[in-house]
Amino acid sequence: NAGVMQNPRHLVRRRGQEARLRCSPMKGHSHVYWYRQLPEEGLKFMVYLQKENIIDESGMPKERFSAEFPKEGPSILRIQQVVRGDSAAYFCASSPPGSTEAFFGQGTRLTVV
Amino acid sequence: QQQVKQSPQSLIVQKGGISIINCAYENTAFDYFPWYQQFPGKGPALLIAIRPDVSEKKEGRFTISFNKSAKQFSLHIMDSQPGDSATYFCAASIRGGSNYKLTFGKGTLLTVNP
Repeated sequence: NAGVMQNPRHLVRRRGQEARLRCSPMKGHSHVYWYRQLPEEGLKFMVYLQKENIIDESGMPKERFSAEFPKEGPSILRIQQVVRGDSAAYFCASSPPGSTEAFFGQGTRLTVV
Repeated sequence: QQQVKQSPQSLIVQKGGISIINCAYENTAFDYFPWYQQFPGKGPALLIAIRPDVSEKKEGRFTISFNKSAKQFSLHIMDSQPGDSATYFCAASIRGGSNYKLTFGKGTLLTVNP
């Protein structure tokens, strides 16, 4: 059973470009969480999704950020018109229904130049 | 507003010693308290977790102590080894419904010297 898969592992974007981060949850997991980790900081919750539904986006910036988890395919975190402050590690976690245990991927390290 | 406060920020321990990391929370609705271990370039991995109906949980060399009245919990690593050198994060969540989003502390960088 493969773990949570995130790609790309590293992503470099110029200011103003779009960044797309992908997350494939573990098999049988229908709940996906996205977290952002800034240097010297803990992980901050961004959004919680189930298949085709955004359940909680209270941690998402109001502009430029969006997330989806379609019926087929990976969950996508999309950042439009990236700025230097978006540079961070973005982690995806998945869990099966009814479980408190979240399994994290290895993260995507976004660098905005 | 930092709902989970973690200390110390960094910790250096000699091999064989005891590592102790402390966390305090504010939201009394939290009822699940996991600890995560993160190595450089990797994602966090669940180490051990506790619920507030017990005061202590032990798994191998790792022990969580929980003090509900003080709203504090701590991680003890007995017989610390160089391979334990990593960043440790405490976290908290609320089990109600299906949303188990985690609120993390800022992390403790543990270095175990040989």
